[in-house]
Amino acid sequence: DTGVSQNPRHKITKRGQNVTFRCDPISEHNRLYWYRQTLGQGPEFLTYFQNEAQLEKSRLLSDRFSAERPKGSFSTLEIQRTEQGDSAMYLCASSLAPGDEKLFFGSGTQLSVL
Amino acid sequence: AQSVAQPEDQVNVAEGNPLTVKCTYSVSGNPYLFWYVQYPNRGLQFLLKYITGDNLVKGSYGFEAEFNKSQTSFHLKKPSALVSDSALYFCAVNGGFKTIFGAGTRLFVKA
Repeated sequence: DTGVSQNPRHKITKRGQNVTFRCDPISEHNRLYWYRQTLGQGPEFLTYFQNEAQLEKSRLLSDRFSAERPKGSFSTLEIQRTEQGDSAMYLCASSLAPGDEKLFFGSGTQLSVL
Repeated sequence: AQSVAQPEDQVNVAEGNPLTVKCTYSVSGNPYLFWYVQYPNRGLQFLLKYITGDNLVKGSYGFEAEFNKSQTSFHLKKPSALVSDSALYFCAVNGGFKTIFGAGTRLFVKA
């Protein structure tokens, strides 16, 4: 069990640029989640996958955000035309499903949009 | 829709005293309830969960939580606080699909 891995750890970009983050879940975990967390706040749900199927996407997520999980393994989260309000920690988590929703979190990707 | 409320932004307690961090939830059906902890500059870590069974659930680092269905609460407790318990604590609920987190409660334990 090597844990949930996220890359990069930090990303600094200019407003208007596109960014992509990667998450490698624990290998046997079927569910993969993306959350966004700002300083001192709780993780905000963005989207989740069961295997390769994206089952739900938050209504708070604009069309600039897209996530994929090809072949039910790693996942990518892309933000197009970044805005300063996108600056946050982006967290990935995985879990076995169904029946055990204990989430294992990665260390996150800190995005700063200048 | 499911939701979680943590009514206290911050809880202060002296080392050695008991602590309680409050959480109430709203979900249709039987809830899966969780507590997670976030230490400074570290990722979220699982503390404990309630799925079914005994209302008192024991978890990591001496923490426990009491599930109260009639009050829709799941308060986190510890009999004797340590300075090292100082961190950000999150209550979370899963109604069978996604996991939703509360806004968090910052716990300060004074020596």
